[in-house]
Amino acid sequence: GENVEQHPSTLSVQEGDSAVIKCTYSDSASNYFPWYKQELGKGPQLIIDIRSNVGEKKDQRIAVTLNKTAKHFSLHITETQPEDSAVYFCAAGRGTSYGKLTFGQGTILTVHP
Amino acid sequence: NAGVMQNPRHLVRRRGQEARLRCSPMKGHSHVYWYRQLPEEGLKFMVYLQKENIIDESGMPKERFSAEFPKEGPSILRIQQVVRGDSAAYFCASSPTGTVTNEQFFGPGTRLTVL
Repeated sequence: GENVEQHPSTLSVQEGDSAVIKCTYSDSASNYFPWYKQELGKGPQLIIDIRSNVGEKKDQRIAVTLNKTAKHFSLHITETQPEDSAVYFCAAGRGTSYGKLTFGQGTILTVHP
Repeated sequence: NAGVMQNPRHLVRRRGQEARLRCSPMKGHSHVYWYRQLPEEGLKFMVYLQKENIIDESGMPKERFSAEFPKEGPSILRIQQVVRGDSAAYFCASSPTGTVTNEQFFGPGTRLTVL
């Protein structure tokens, strides 16, 4: 089955700096890669996703890159703000199948004012 | 439009008791997924259901765990004879179709504590 590894497990940055979280996956058939943000006491919320037919996608301060050959994808947050502090999860899924997602272990991001 | 609802939010059970976790999907969503999150870990897929059907239960332990999504009412995740290792946060997610590229909307979770 699919296995998703996520690094780092914790990340601490100063407000205004950039934050990068990286994930690798094992199943070459995976072609859908969402990123979720989970705030304390809440369920995960989708913040951005990418499909394997594109290499990069951007939405304001958030961008995701995908390298299919190396089987890794990354989340980039620029101009970080304290409200970006949360746990971030990457995930992988097969577009030809139903919506079963395999999640990474999570990254605790702390943005210091 | 209400989001995914889960209840109870917190559930405490003693070893050997039963736990029932409920999930009401978003309006118009007929696909439900259950995930388990152990402390400081990611979410692990447990089961995928459509109305009245279990599509994939490959992530759910064979014993003590069961899930249903009846024609009417919420989806239920049932854990019989709970053990301390069942302590975790259980999240359900719903989507309008079963296609993986359809966003899964997560509920707030049920935090189960087994004493």
